[in-house]
Amino acid sequence: DAGVIQSPRHEVTEMGQEVTLRCKPISGHNSLFWYRQTMMRGLELLIYFNNNVPIDDSGMPEDRFSAKMPNASFSTLKIQPSEPRDSAVYFCASTAGGGSETQYFGPGTRLLVL
Amino acid sequence: KNQVEQSPQSLIILEGKNCTLQCNYTVSPFSNLRWYKQDTGRGPVSLTIMTFSENTKSNGRYTATLDADTKQSSLHITASQLSDSASYICVVMGQAGTALIFGKGTTLSVSS
Repeated sequence: DAGVIQSPRHEVTEMGQEVTLRCKPISGHNSLFWYRQTMMRGLELLIYFNNNVPIDDSGMPEDRFSAKMPNASFSTLKIQPSEPRDSAVYFCASTAGGGSETQYFGPGTRLLVL
Repeated sequence: KNQVEQSPQSLIILEGKNCTLQCNYTVSPFSNLRWYKQDTGRGPVSLTIMTFSENTKSNGRYTATLDADTKQSSLHITASQLSDSASYICVVMGQAGTALIFGKGTTLSVSS
């Protein structure tokens, strides 16, 4: 299995631009998580889906952030408009089951907003 | 407030030595506690997951312990190797299916 796939791996954009991050979970996994990691705050859970349905989006920082999971094999995290404080590494992870299952992380997308 | 505190923040040890990383949490109710290893520039990789009824779990040279009464966990690394240099993150899950609370991590450097 290729593991969790994220694209792009690196993104540099200017403030105000729209940014879309993409994730393909491991085939057969039914839960998907989006995280953000910064030096100051560490890892933070933004949102997670179960069977393509958003379950908890309390970690999404503002209305500028939105996430979708149109099917079991694809999810997007969109930031519109982007701001410099959004600069971080964004990880996607998936699990085969519920909350006690091992999470498998993707390689992350390193976002820099100038 | 649900919190996870890790110590030390960073640690340097010589190759071959043992070390222990600490994690204290205030998350309640508690479902499980996880330790992750994160290499620089990579995503975290799960080392162990323990429920409240488990007090020790091993994964090779990594052994995690849990004391649910005192809300403390430790990760012991035996006979460290250069490849153990990484950040180790403690994560606590509240009631199953709800938010994960992350520690800031301990950065371990193993030198030869």
